Amino acid sequence: DAGITQSPRHKVTETGTPVTLRCHQTENHRYMYWYRQDPGHGLRLIHYSYGVKDTDKGEVSDGYSVSRSKTEDFLLTLESATSSQTSVYFCAINREIGETQYFGPGTRLLVL
Amino acid sequence: GEDVEQSLFLSVREGDSSVINCTYTDSSSTYLYWYKQEPGAGLQLLTYIFSNMDMKQDQRLTVLLNKKDKHLSLRIADTQTGDSAIYFCAESSGQGGKLIFGQGTELSVKP
Repeated sequence: DAGITQSPRHKVTETGTPVTLRCHQTENHRYMYWYRQDPGHGLRLIHYSYGVKDTDKGEVSDGYSVSRSKTEDFLLTLESATSSQTSVYFCAINREIGETQYFGPGTRLLVL
Repeated sequence: GEDVEQSLFLSVREGDSSVINCTYTDSSSTYLYWYKQEPGAGLQLLTYIFSNMDMKQDQRLTVLLNKKDKHLSLRIADTQTGDSAIYFCAESSGQGGKLIFGQGTELSVKP
């Protein structure tokens, strides 16, 4: 398995509170991604990073921000959580475009 | 825009072959992937095929790619109860290497 960890693995929070999810990799891969998984939608890309301090939006980026201050960590922040952000969040890494993407174990987030 | 479609459910008997189908729209995709997700777990890469290939075989798994029809299939030979899971088809996009996923096909294997 690729060395990807996500924390926390489970979180329950209230509407309006800020939440930060962390993705950590030990592979020194350049590309990192945040996806969310919802029933009937598969996985959808939120944001991705192509290097330290280099990030770009995916198809469902509204309400989310990201930061990557070092190669190994990619943070996803919900500035003010809403119930529609209840989901399972997956981080993925990629050494180069076109190579295999490996996924972390996921974070289950429940926003009440 | 880019889109990937899969049927939602498939039920087979143990020992039979399973065929999971997928259609995609982005003709510029360079790689197409099959991922497996067991309940409560992350995604596990099963296999992938490069767009200039039309078939790839890996033990019990056979991937067929029809570029003209933009159709991808995954055949699992001698399906076992341990193959019960959700299977996702995904295509790679040139934009940052992101993956576009189908909705997933839930495979149920009955003894």
